[in-house]
Amino acid sequence: GQSLEQPSEVTAVEGAIVQINCTYQTSGFYGLSWYQQHDGGAPTFLSYNALDGLEETGRFSSFLSRSDSYGYLLLQELQMKDSASYFCAVRDGDTGRRALTFGSGTRLQVQP
Amino acid sequence: DTEVTQTPKHLVMGMTNKKSLKCEQHMGHRAMYWYKQKAKKPPELMFVYSYEKLSINESVPSRFSPECPNSSLLNLHLHALQPEDSALYLCASSQDNPEQFFGPGTRLTVL
Repeated sequence: GQSLEQPSEVTAVEGAIVQINCTYQTSGFYGLSWYQQHDGGAPTFLSYNALDGLEETGRFSSFLSRSDSYGYLLLQELQMKDSASYFCAVRDGDTGRRALTFGSGTRLQVQP
Repeated sequence: DTEVTQTPKHLVMGMTNKKSLKCEQHMGHRAMYWYKQKAKKPPELMFVYSYEKLSINESVPSRFSPECPNSSLLNLHLHALQPEDSALYLCASSQDNPEQFFGPGTRLTVL
C-alpha cells in the first residue's frame, strides 16, 4: 500500500516563496506528482519527478529524493491566485497500476 | 482538445433513484478513472478502465456500477445510494505518462 504525508495548511504573503513537503511510503514507486485544486475546481497537474533532483516549470519547482522518500513543491513569487489545495500523489509501481494515491493535501493561503 | 467533460454538474437524488454520471474525453487517452472526493479530503480512486476494460475496482460497493461504452466515454451508474455517498465525483483520463487530466466533477447530493 501507499501512504503520503504533507502539512495540512500553509500561509504565506504575496511575493514570498513557500515549500510544501511530502514524505511517502510505497510498496513500489513510479514517481511523485503534484496537483493543484482550487475550491470547487478540478485537480490540475503541476509536475512529476521520477528521478532525484529538481524540476522547474515557471514559478513552480518540484524536488525528489528517492533515497529519503521525500519530495517538495516550491512556489515562488506567490500570487493571490495560488491560494488552493496542493496534493502530492504516487502511482503504484508494483502492479503497474496507473492510478494515483493522493496525500491528504496542503491548503495554501496567500495573503496580501 | 485537452478537456475532460462531465455531466451533470450537479445531481440531487433520493435513495431509491437510479441515475448516471457521464464523462467524455477526445484526447485519445486509453485509461480512464473515477474518483470520489469528500470536502477537504483528497480524491479517492474508485475504478480504472484501461483500453475499455475494467482493470481496478477499489472495493467499491455494488450500488456504483461503472461502464465504458467506448474509448472516449465513461459512465458511472448509481442505484440505491446512501446519504454518505454525497460527494464530488471526478473523472480523469491519461495516456502512457504520469499526467492525469481531470474533469470538473459532478457534485452529488443523496437525500
